[in-house]
Amino acid sequence: EAQVTQNPRYLITVTGKKLTVTCSQNMNHEYMSWYRQDPGLGLRQIYYSMNVEVTDKGDVPEGYKVSRKEKRNFPLILESPSPNQTSLYFCASSPGTGNNQPQHFGDGTRLSIL
Amino acid sequence: SQQGEEDPQALSIQEGENATMNCSYKTSINNLQWYRQNSGRGLVHLILIRSNEREKHSGRLRVTLDTSKKSSSLLITASRAADTASYFCATAPGGRDDKIIFGKGTRLHILP
Repeated sequence: EAQVTQNPRYLITVTGKKLTVTCSQNMNHEYMSWYRQDPGLGLRQIYYSMNVEVTDKGDVPEGYKVSRKEKRNFPLILESPSPNQTSLYFCASSPGTGNNQPQHFGDGTRLSIL
Repeated sequence: SQQGEEDPQALSIQEGENATMNCSYKTSINNLQWYRQNSGRGLVHLILIRSNEREKHSGRLRVTLDTSKKSSSLLITASRAADTASYFCATAPGGRDDKIIFGKGTRLHILP
């Protein structure tokens, strides 16, 4: 089954404790992206990747890191999480170069930073 | 900065009625997409419309695009309870496709 898998689905942690949210897709898609969703603000793009070893900043990249060492994986790293990073996070992938093909979304990761 | 802005923010209609929501954007685009999100779940793609297209249909969905007004509309005909969800438009500004901006969404509630 074609899917985008995020882990964990839920995480409660404390300020400053490094964490990684994994994202994996099994559709051989070139494009992958991370978004955060906050009430009243819609989805905002954090980082995206056009291909292996190619990443770029979205609208809200501060406090986040990403890597794309393999085509299928695109982890989101919070080196020193802070409470303002409490949010619902989505990973997505697309066969195109971004908005020229449909994106497939994961089920989301709800992060709470205390 | 917001590229896509949907309106209304929320919409409640009776089952069987048609629902229309709009998206406005600020700069030139190549493509515009509409997505649906059921509460707290991942987004699901509905329709992609390219800048040289004016209208597109998919089942009960009809999307229009007016590049001169920088706006798009999503019409859901004969609404059903299962259409209750939030709807988002997505664009990529300046003729690029890589950096994607979503609007804040329209929350649609279908009343039985």
